[in-house]
Amino acid sequence: DGGITQSPKYLFRKEGQNVTLSCEQNLNHDAMYWYRQDPGQGLRLIYYSQIVNDFQKGDIAEGYSVSREKKESFPLTVTSAQKNPTAFYLCASSIRVPSYEQYFGPGTRLTVT
Amino acid sequence: GESVGLHLPTLSVQEGDNSIINCAYSNSASDYFIWYKQESGKGPQFIIDIRSNMDKRQGQRVTVLLNKTVKHLSLQIAATQPGDSAVYFCAEKTEGSARQLTFGSGTQLTVLP
Repeated sequence: DGGITQSPKYLFRKEGQNVTLSCEQNLNHDAMYWYRQDPGQGLRLIYYSQIVNDFQKGDIAEGYSVSREKKESFPLTVTSAQKNPTAFYLCASSIRVPSYEQYFGPGTRLTVT
Repeated sequence: GESVGLHLPTLSVQEGDNSIINCAYSNSASDYFIWYKQESGKGPQFIIDIRSNMDKRQGQRVTVLLNKTVKHLSLQIAATQPGDSAVYFCAEKTEGSARQLTFGSGTQLTVLP
């Protein structure tokens, strides 16, 4: 079965702790993305990576970090510097060319208290 | 900056009726559009896409219409079913952008029995 997996589905952390969200894909896609979704809102781009060992900031990168050491994996770390980390986090991937369709994982709901 | 927006945040339709979900975009350089469906607590799923050199595209029970003159996109769902209840997002890709897709805030479609 090809697809994108995110784990865990629900994650709880105390304020001040860093937390890493996992995203893995076996679609052989070059590009991967992280989005944040808040209630009643659309998706906001945090970081994206078009190729291994390269990534760019999206619209709301502050307080987040990523790595892309393998094509299949694009983990997102929510640091203690992120002022409002509680949200639904979505990972996606796409073939860079010719299609721009992004395939999404099931999401991780992070709650920080 | 450029944005993708929706005319109505919520839409309720009777089961069996047709649904029309609208989306306005402001970037005339956008050359590709996608509609996604997101069920509660899940990641978005691809429904249909359309390139800017087309006015209409049909899928299974869905049709997307693109009016470049007024920068308007619509998704029509025929014979709406209870399983169609979800949030629907339009997303655009801007020509020459490496960032791929920009998402709108979504419309909540509720199918009434």
